[in-house]
Amino acid sequence: EPEVTQTPSHQVTQMGQEVILRCVPISNHLYFYWYRQILGQKVEFLVSFYNNEISEKSEIFDDQFSVERPDGSNFTLKIRSTKLEDSAMYFCASSESRGGYTFGSGTRLTVV
Amino acid sequence: ILNVEQSPQSLHVQEGDSTNFTCSFPSSNFYALHWYRWETAKSPEALFVMTLNGDEKKKGRISATLNTKEGYSYLYIKGSQPEDSATYLCAPHTGTASKLTFGTGTRLQVTL
Repeated sequence: EPEVTQTPSHQVTQMGQEVILRCVPISNHLYFYWYRQILGQKVEFLVSFYNNEISEKSEIFDDQFSVERPDGSNFTLKIRSTKLEDSAMYFCASSESRGGYTFGSGTRLTVV
Repeated sequence: ILNVEQSPQSLHVQEGDSTNFTCSFPSSNFYALHWYRWETAKSPEALFVMTLNGDEKKKGRISATLNTKEGYSYLYIKGSQPEDSATYLCAPHTGTASKLTFGTGTRLQVTL
C-alpha cells in the first residue's frame, strides 16, 4: 500500500536555528498538508498546498514557516528561526482529492 | 474556528467489552466526517469517511454512525481487543476547505 514517508523521525534543534522537515507524499496525490500536535493538545492544521501554491493556511503558519515542493516528489516544511513552542509532532499528509488523506508517521521536533 | 469535541477523553476497558465514543461538530456547511485510529509512533490510520446523514459504516469489529443534522458521530468497537488500544480521532470536513479540523481524540486502553 502506498505510504507517505517523513524524515527525520526525530529532530532536535537549538532555539533560533532553521529546520527543514521532509515529506514524500504519495506520487499521484495532488493535495499536500502539514499538521502538528503539541504534546497533550489537538492535532492542528498548518497549511495545505495544491497546484504548486498554498491553498489555505492557519494562524499558526506565520512568516517563520514556509513550504516548498522543490522537485515534484518532496514536500518540505521550513521553520526559519525555531522557538521552544514549536516543539511538536509534525505530520505530513497527502490526498488525491478532498478527503481520503494518507498521513505520514510524523517528525518529532524538539527545540531546546 | 470549528469546535470539534470528542468524549470521553480516555477510556479503559477490559478485553471483550464493547465500547463507544462520541464526536460532536457544527452541523452547518458539513461536507464529510473522517475517523482515524492513531497508535503512538505510527501514522494516523484512516478508518472511515462518512458523508450522508444516517450513514453507517463498518470495518470488522468497528462501526460508526453519522448524524449531520445534529452534528454528531458515534464510533463503536465490539468485543475490544488489546490491539484496539489507540487514540481515535474524528475530523469534520466543512464547506469548500480541504483541511481537516481534529477533535481532541479519545484514548482507548484495552487490558486483558
